[in-house]
Amino acid sequence: DAGVTQSPTHLIKTRGQQVTLRCSPKSGHDTVSWYQQALGQGPQFIFQYYEEEERQRGNFPDRFSGHQFPNYSSELNVNALLLGDSALYLCASSPGWGRSGANVLTFGAGSRLTVL
Amino acid sequence: GEDVEQSLFLSVREGDSSVINCTYTDSSSTYLYWYKQEPGAGLQLLTYIFSNMDMKQDQRLTVLLNKKDKHLSLRIADTQTGDSAIYFCAERRPGSGNTGKLIFGQGTTLQVKP
Repeated sequence: DAGVTQSPTHLIKTRGQQVTLRCSPKSGHDTVSWYQQALGQGPQFIFQYYEEEERQRGNFPDRFSGHQFPNYSSELNVNALLLGDSALYLCASSPGWGRSGANVLTFGAGSRLTVL
Repeated sequence: GEDVEQSLFLSVREGDSSVINCTYTDSSSTYLYWYKQEPGAGLQLLTYIFSNMDMKQDQRLTVLLNKKDKHLSLRIADTQTGDSAIYFCAERRPGSGNTGKLIFGQGTTLQVKP
């Protein structure tokens, strides 16, 4: 089992550009959440996807958007990049709530975004 | 507020016990977690506790939960150099339907000296 896989692992963008990050959940998981971890901080919840819909959103602007595909994989898009968007972006997956193991998130290794 | 509070740094000698403390905020949180993060890596789940429990033991790890004070601790027995990492406490805030998000502390850096 490959666990949660994310791509790319590292990328560099300039201010104003757009970025797309990708996540494949662990086998058997259908719920995907995204977190932003700034340097020296704990992860912050961005949003969660289940059944291809955004189910809950954290305190992030509309520049952050996402998508979930029928195979449960997910993308995080960030438009009009700011220097402050530089961070490690973590994807986490879990079984849907009500299923065994739904309370446990499995995290990927993250995508490190640097905005210059 | 939303903050989960942790002390920032702990240094111990190899073989000693380590105790990492955390204060969370929401009494309706259903689960509380401890994650470990090594340099350049993602988060590894160490253990978790359901909010109606007050203790959980898993090999070298012991979690204590004081729900009245919203205080969570992680004890690592016989700490090894490989335990050096950042440890995050997190609470699961319930949400509607299938939702629920984790609120993390800012992490405690554990340094284990040989």
